[in-house]
Amino acid sequence: DAGVIQSPRHEVTEMGQEVTLRCKPISGHNSLFWYRQTMMRGLELLIYFNNNVPIDDSGMPEDRFSAKMPNASFSTLKIQPSEPRDSAVYFCASSSNRGRESNQPQHFGDGTRLSIL
Amino acid sequence: AQSVSQHNHHVILSEAASLELGCNYSYGGTVNLFWYVQYPGQHLQLLLKYFSGDPLVKGIKGFEAEFIKSKFSFNLRKPSVQWSDTAEYFCAVNPPSNFGNEKLTFGTGTRLTIIP
Repeated sequence: DAGVIQSPRHEVTEMGQEVTLRCKPISGHNSLFWYRQTMMRGLELLIYFNNNVPIDDSGMPEDRFSAKMPNASFSTLKIQPSEPRDSAVYFCASSSNRGRESNQPQHFGDGTRLSIL
Repeated sequence: AQSVSQHNHHVILSEAASLELGCNYSYGGTVNLFWYVQYPGQHLQLLLKYFSGDPLVKGIKGFEAEFIKSKFSFNLRKPSVQWSDTAEYFCAVNPPSNFGNEKLTFGTGTRLTIIP
């Protein structure tokens, strides 16, 4: 089975540019999570979706960040305009949570290493 | 607010030594608990999880963790570590009573370095 697929693996761009990160969750999973990992702050949840609907976006740092999930097999995280402090590794994860059998383990993608110059 | 504490930031051990990494959480209700491992340059992978039942949980690669409710702890153990266990280890917590919100709170991680 294919795991969570993220693209690109690496992105280097200049500040002010728009950055779009992509994620394909595991087929059949109905929850999708976007995380950011930095040395200073560790692993932070930015937003998560359940059945394509954003459930908790309290971790989104500011309006420059936006996330969409137009269908069950694709999500994007966009930063516009990007700033050097956005440099981090961004992970996408998915899980299968249905009814009372909730909180199944999250499966992580390989991440996108983002560098904003 | 719910929080997860991993007090050991960096642990250095020799091969064959025994390992115990601490994890404490602040949530007072019923919780689900996880340990994830991140090998250098790779994504997070699930080591083990606790939902209910036997508080001693066996995971992959010889790891185990014990849930002690009275201590709000879920420490990770391995009797004899290998060089390949060098990685960063994350404890995570989610309360199932928070139905509808699957948010995991991660600890800051413990970097484990095994010296051959």
